[in-house]
Amino acid sequence: ETGVTQSPTHLIKTRGQQVTLRCSSQSGHNTVSWYQQALGQGPQFIFQYYREEENGRGNFPPRFSGLQFPNYSSELNVNALELDDSALYLCASSPGSYYSYEQYFGPGTRLTVT
Amino acid sequence: GQNIDQPTEMTATEGAIVQINCTYQTSGFNGLFWYQQHAGEAPTFLSYNVLDGLEEKGRFSSFLSRSKGYSYLLLKELQMKDSASYLCAVIISGGYNKLIFGAGTRLAVHP
Repeated sequence: ETGVTQSPTHLIKTRGQQVTLRCSSQSGHNTVSWYQQALGQGPQFIFQYYREEENGRGNFPPRFSGLQFPNYSSELNVNALELDDSALYLCASSPGSYYSYEQYFGPGTRLTVT
Repeated sequence: GQNIDQPTEMTATEGAIVQINCTYQTSGFNGLFWYQQHAGEAPTFLSYNVLDGLEEKGRFSSFLSRSKGYSYLLLKELQMKDSASYLCAVIISGGYNKLIFGAGTRLAVHP
């Protein structure tokens, strides 16, 4: 148990719809990162938030956006869903210290786009 | 660019030893992680190497050579529950810390 939770566990959406995924980090963790993991692949970095500001982004289009809140929760929003967005979405929190590298993963949300 | 390579699949026998290799070409290297991931579940932390050499933790050991861009994860006394994907990930920095993952190695342990 990492103390990181995500909701919902599973979700089915239709192409073109919008979805919001939620993550609750460990208390005191100022940094949250989001990853997309397609079947049979390693997680791909989407973006990272530190103290409610986006401070890094991977190679994902702007329809992937996020928010981080003061209560250590965060959201990943995806607009105009495409079939290729079907994946396991993982959030990972870390203490936020520059020299603290370990990230604690949540159980993930399985998104299916039909 | 950032590149991490590891074998796609491996098989081994219960009780045996298996070594999973990982090679990387990245910028801003700040260490290498190994994670275990069972199907449909989150990655769980196994090891972190930032200095060259071997780190041992129970049945699991991890080795790093920074000059060669090479790491391996060694699993001893294999058990059926070790059947999982093993992810090699490098942490890079450039104003923030980011994990770059390999595609993972699916290990099947047979009786």
